[in-house]
Amino acid sequence: GENVEQHPSTLSVQEGDSAVIKCTYSDSASNYFPWYKQELGKRPQLIIDIRSNVGEKKDQRIAVTLNKTAKHFSLHITETQPEDSAVYFCAARKAGNMLTFGGGTRLMVKP
Amino acid sequence: NAGVTQTPKFQVLKTGQSMTLQCAQDMNHNSMYWYRQDPGMGLRLIYYSASEGTTDKGEVPNGYNVSRLNKREFSLRLESAAPSQTSVYFCASSERPQRGADTQYFGPGTRLTVL
Repeated sequence: GENVEQHPSTLSVQEGDSAVIKCTYSDSASNYFPWYKQELGKRPQLIIDIRSNVGEKKDQRIAVTLNKTAKHFSLHITETQPEDSAVYFCAARKAGNMLTFGGGTRLMVKP
Repeated sequence: NAGVTQTPKFQVLKTGQSMTLQCAQDMNHNSMYWYRQDPGMGLRLIYYSASEGTTDKGEVPNGYNVSRLNKREFSLRLESAAPSQTSVYFCASSERPQRGADTQYFGPGTRLTVL
């Protein structure tokens, strides 16, 4: 089955800096890659996703890049703000299958 | 639209007791899921229901049973609770098309403690 690894497990940045979280996946047939944000004590919520026919997708301060050859994808957050502090999960899915989640990254943005 | 709802929000059980966690969605989604999230860890799939009338095991099914009561409702049952089942349980639902994007929407979670 699919295996998704996520790094780093914790990330601390200064407010205004950029943050990058990376994930690798094992199944080359995976074609859908969402990112979820989970604030403390809350439910995970989708923040951005990308499909395998696209190399990059951007939404304001958040962007995701995908390298199908290397089987890895990354979340980029620019101009970080304290409200970006949360746990971020990547996931991967191939057609007809379940989502497989990475282990999560705790992002701390220091004012 | 309430989205995905779960009851109860909190529960404390003694070892060996049983209970059922309830989940309902009003988005007319085909698929529903139960995850557990242990402190500092990711989401592990317990069971899922790809469509009404079907259920399948996920990564960590031991000690649990599920029922897809109808298209809206998917319950998780602990027959004999154990301390190792102390966790936060999330229900989720998705349209689950055969191809393409499959956004999962999560419920607020149930925080379960087994003493």
